[in-house]
Amino acid sequence: QVQLVQSGSELKKPGASVKVSCKASGYTFVGYAMNWVRQAPGQGLEWLGWINTNTGNPTYAQGFTGRFVFSLDTSVSTAYLQISSLKAEDTAVYYCARDFRMDSSSSDYFDYWGQGTLVTVSS
Amino acid sequence: DIQMTQSPSTLSASVGDRVTITCRASQSISSWLAWYQQKPGKAPKLLIYKASSLESGVPSRFSGSGSGTEFTLTISSLQPDDFATFYCQQYNSYPLTFGGGTKVEIK
Repeated sequence: QVQLVQSGSELKKPGASVKVSCKASGYTFVGYAMNWVRQAPGQGLEWLGWINTNTGNPTYAQGFTGRFVFSLDTSVSTAYLQISSLKAEDTAVYYCARDFRMDSSSSDYFDYWGQGTLVTVSS
Repeated sequence: DIQMTQSPSTLSASVGDRVTITCRASQSISSWLAWYQQKPGKAPKLLIYKASSLESGVPSRFSGSGSGTEFTLTISSLQPDDFATFYCQQYNSYPLTFGGGTKVEIK
């Protein structure tokens, strides 16, 4: 069965960096786009962007360029989200989510989600 | 960016009630709309895609309708497991955007 298993919670100080992993299993990793979505405490869902697992090409939503980096290690079927120069407002649960489309050509809607990784930024 | 507006933000209902949630897009998105259910502390779960197509394994009491700018999610007979927050999401254009959510509470 399809599973996306994310790394554990992180507590970081402002200005630090964090790298969240999302390990996929139960399907062919290369072929389905991977998205990143975040949810601040008590708030709604916000799309950060997606990465083409065929080419490794990332697409970032406006406001998530520069400090946010999507990457892959296809040898271990894992996607990564790295956030640098962390700010208090980055405190959120970060989800990876698989796109439904089996060609990684675009991002549409999400049929499988990771369990979420809480990133807390506090001094 | 396409803005997605859900109403109501909170809904109180009883088991067995018919429940309708509305999602409006700031411009036409054809039928490129998905609905998700999220329970506290859990990841969202896909319910509906392409406005009215039921995801495999989702109970038939959930249904979606609409096109253009106005969409609805209907639960025909609310069950205890359905108390959760529901989100719509458009995938007509980037950036993908979500509605603010509708929390369905027990009356």
